[in-house]
Amino acid sequence: DAGVIQSPRHEVTEMGQEVTLRCKPISGHNSLFWYRQTMMRGLELLIYFNNNVPIDDSGMPEDRFSAKMPNASFSTLKIQPSEPRDSAVYFCASSSRGSYGYTFGSGTRLTVV
Amino acid sequence: DAKTTQPPSMDCAEGRAANLPCNHSTISGNEYVYWYRQIHSQGPQYIIHGLKNNETNEMASLIITEDRKSSTLILPHATLRDTAVYYCIVLTGNQFYFGTGTSLTVIP
Repeated sequence: DAGVIQSPRHEVTEMGQEVTLRCKPISGHNSLFWYRQTMMRGLELLIYFNNNVPIDDSGMPEDRFSAKMPNASFSTLKIQPSEPRDSAVYFCASSSRGSYGYTFGSGTRLTVV
Repeated sequence: DAKTTQPPSMDCAEGRAANLPCNHSTISGNEYVYWYRQIHSQGPQYIIHGLKNNETNEMASLIITEDRKSSTLILPHATLRDTAVYYCIVLTGNQFYFGTGTSLTVIP
């Protein structure tokens, strides 16, 4: 099992540009979570999906952020337009009823200049 | 909304047991205690979880007090690779809320 796969690993973009982060959960996992980590705020839960349906997006900071899960094997987190304060490491995680906790991906380090 | 309290940092000598405490005094009867760790620049990694009984796996042991208001994660023989931030989390619904954790430094 390749684990949770995130791409890209690193992204540098200019302020105002659209950024799309991608996640492939573990096959068979039916829950998917997006987290953001910064030094100031630590790990924050942004949104989570259950069976491809968004359940709780109360952690999404603003309307500039949106997340989709078109099928069980793919999710995106989009920021449009991006701002320097969006710079962070974004983690995706997946889980299922039979799994112990979440399995996290390696993260995408986003830098907005 | 982490519902847990951990010391911000700890040191441990290599080869010795590392005992990481966590207070969760408002835990409900059916809420599990989970432990994760995050090694620098990597995603958090699941370690162990428990409800009432003590648990042990290949990575660590989890001791939960009888009143369930606190727990201790034990790494029996700490190595340099165990240097990481350790998070104690009370599972609420299906969502993990990470607090600030304990930064463990294993010293040679």
